[in-house]
Amino acid sequence: GQQLNQSPQSMFIQEGEDVSMNCTSSSIFNTWLWYKQDPGEGPVLLIALYKAGELTSNGRLTAQFGITRKDSFLNISASIPSDVGIYFCAGSFYNQGGKLIFGQGTELSVKP
Amino acid sequence: KAGVTQTPRYLIKTRGQQVTLSCSPISGHRSVSWYQQTPGQGLQFLFEYFSETQRNKGNFPGRFSGRQFSNSRSEMNVSTLELGDSALYLCASSSGKTQGVIDGYTFGSGTRLTVV
Repeated sequence: GQQLNQSPQSMFIQEGEDVSMNCTSSSIFNTWLWYKQDPGEGPVLLIALYKAGELTSNGRLTAQFGITRKDSFLNISASIPSDVGIYFCAGSFYNQGGKLIFGQGTELSVKP
Repeated sequence: KAGVTQTPRYLIKTRGQQVTLSCSPISGHRSVSWYQQTPGQGLQFLFEYFSETQRNKGNFPGRFSGRQFSNSRSEMNVSTLELGDSALYLCASSSGKTQGVIDGYTFGSGTRLTVV
C-alpha cells in the first residue's frame, strides 16, 4: 500500500539533545499528523496540522506542514528518557479524513 | 471520558479459522477506522465505518470485513486466517462529522492476533 517516506528510520541520541525527523510524499495531503507509539500500545496523537505552512507546538514538540503540502517535520527539543518510542507521521487526503497513510516510523532511543 | 476500547487484547488462532475483533469508540464518536500493523508493512488502513456504512476502504482482500452497529461499536472479521495475518490490529475513532478534517482521531491499544 501507499506509504510516506519517513526519515531517519532510527536515532540514538544523548539526553538533552534536539531531534528532528521528517516525512515526504509524492501526493498532496490535506492533513498531517504526528503520533508516538510505545510498545504494545496504540499510537498517541502528538500534533495535528491542517494548513500548508502551519507551525504548531506542543510542549517541547514542534511540527510544520510543508508549503508544498507534500512534507512535514517534527522537532523535539531537549530530549528526555521518556521520549523513547516510535514516532509516526501520517497524512490524510481531502474527503478521506477517516483514512490515514502512515510513514514507516522513526525509532528514537535516548541515552541518559 | 473513556478511550477507545478494543477486545480482546490478545488472540491465538489456527490457520483456516476465522476471527472477530471488537472496537468500542469514544462516546459521541461516529467514525471507526481499522488498521493492521506488522513489522514488514507498518500501519496499513483496512476500512472506515461511519453511521453503520463503510465510507473508505483499503487494499486488503475480501477475507477482511467489518461492520458498525447503531451504537457506533464496530467489529472486524477475518476469515480463512493465514499466517501472514498475524499482526496488531488497531482501531481509531473520531467524530467523523467532516470527512476532510481529523477530529479527535484516537487509537485504541489494539488486538494482538497470532495465527499458528
